[in-house]
Amino acid sequence: DAGVTQSPTHLIKTRGQHVTLRCSPISGHKSVSWYQQVLGQGPQFIFQYYEKEERGRGNFPDRFSARQFPNYSSELNVNALLLGDSALYLCASSLSGGQGANVLTFGAGSRLTVL
Amino acid sequence: GENVEQHPSTLSVQEGDSAVIKCTYSDSASNYFPWYKQELGKRPQLIIDIRSNVGEKKDQRIAVTLNKTAKHFSLHITETQPEDSAVYFCAASSRQGGSEKLVFGKGTKLTVNP
Repeated sequence: DAGVTQSPTHLIKTRGQHVTLRCSPISGHKSVSWYQQVLGQGPQFIFQYYEKEERGRGNFPDRFSARQFPNYSSELNVNALLLGDSALYLCASSLSGGQGANVLTFGAGSRLTVL
Repeated sequence: GENVEQHPSTLSVQEGDSAVIKCTYSDSASNYFPWYKQELGKRPQLIIDIRSNVGEKKDQRIAVTLNKTAKHFSLHITETQPEDSAVYFCAASSRQGGSEKLVFGKGTKLTVNP
């Protein structure tokens, strides 16, 4: 059974451009969360989606948006890229999205470099 | 909101020694505390977790302790091996509206010297 898969694995963009990152959760998992990991830091929460609805949003500007599809896969979009958006973007899936402290399983991430 | 502090930021031990990493959290409502291991260039992988109704949990060479009163929890690795070398992150759950996110510490880089 495949784990959490993310694409692309690496990408380079220039300031002002837009990027779309994709994530497929573990089969049977209905919740997807996105985290940003800047080099040398711990992952920081961006979004959580469950059953195609946004359940939570971290302290990120409106340039960041996401959505979840009927098959539970998800996209993270970042507009008007800044140098500071360079990071590893991690997707994590869990069985459900609500209370109960479900275990998160992370994908390998998408390494974004903004020049 | 929740804040997680992790210490030390780097830790170097000799093979066979024990390693201890400590974390504190601020939100008394947090009830789930996982630890993740991240090797260079790889995904964070869950190695052990503990829920607030338990004070200690052990899995082979790895153990985690939780002190809810003091709001701190620790990771203990015994009989360390070179393959334990990695960055370790502690995290605490935090409820935000209808979601439950994890708040991570800044990580501890563990080096096990042969």
